Amino acid sequence: DGGITQSPKYLFRKEGQNVTLSCEQNLNHDAMYWYRQDPGQGLRLIYYSQIVNDFQKGDIAEGYSVSREKKESFPLTVTSAQKNPTAFYLCATADRDSAYNEQFFGPGTRLTVL
Amino acid sequence: GQQVMQIPQYQHVQEGEDFTTYCNSSTTLSNIQWYKQRPGGHPVFLIQLVKSGEVKKQKRLTFQFGEAKKNSSLHITATQTTDVGTYFCAGTSMDSNYQLIWGAGTKLIIKP
Repeated sequence: DGGITQSPKYLFRKEGQNVTLSCEQNLNHDAMYWYRQDPGQGLRLIYYSQIVNDFQKGDIAEGYSVSREKKESFPLTVTSAQKNPTAFYLCATADRDSAYNEQFFGPGTRLTVL
Repeated sequence: GQQVMQIPQYQHVQEGEDFTTYCNSSTTLSNIQWYKQRPGGHPVFLIQLVKSGEVKKQKRLTFQFGEAKKNSSLHITATQTTDVGTYFCAGTSMDSNYQLIWGAGTKLIIKP
């Protein structure tokens, strides 16, 4: 959505290289999430953060790392330890004070490992 | 671990026909959300259901939450080309530490 930016839109990486995906939001939401989407599958949670300087592992955190030094930013690093990193990566935010607790998504980054 | 199963994976319909997708959870859910993802896009929130047996409507879309809060459905009446995309359910529960567990999605395809 308009308040969440992810860059770059497409990213190519050689095997063995680390790469960092950017996620920035101006919605003033406390919670931020990283998901991975593979063709024909739902979204799988990599990491999430409910507050600055704190984050939790999701279901598939191995091979990934994150930081949350600012409320607006939640970058994801895909390390060389991630065995199959080619996927569509989605960043999302949520307002914990919202009655609906819905998640708002950025446009995503398509990562291809060559 | 907790799973949310969603069927069918694909549904091909003629424009004007109805469409339905179903979700079933292995555990009782606190709530269930529905999202739509257009081709090449990102998921967009449609609705949240919280109460047992709840039914909500948005124009041609009808959402239901089962009495046991373990299943849900989305029904679209008289599909239009603008309905094309993948529809996902996502539920939360105490077992998931209130993080969303996503179904695999149902892709709505309009036959030419």
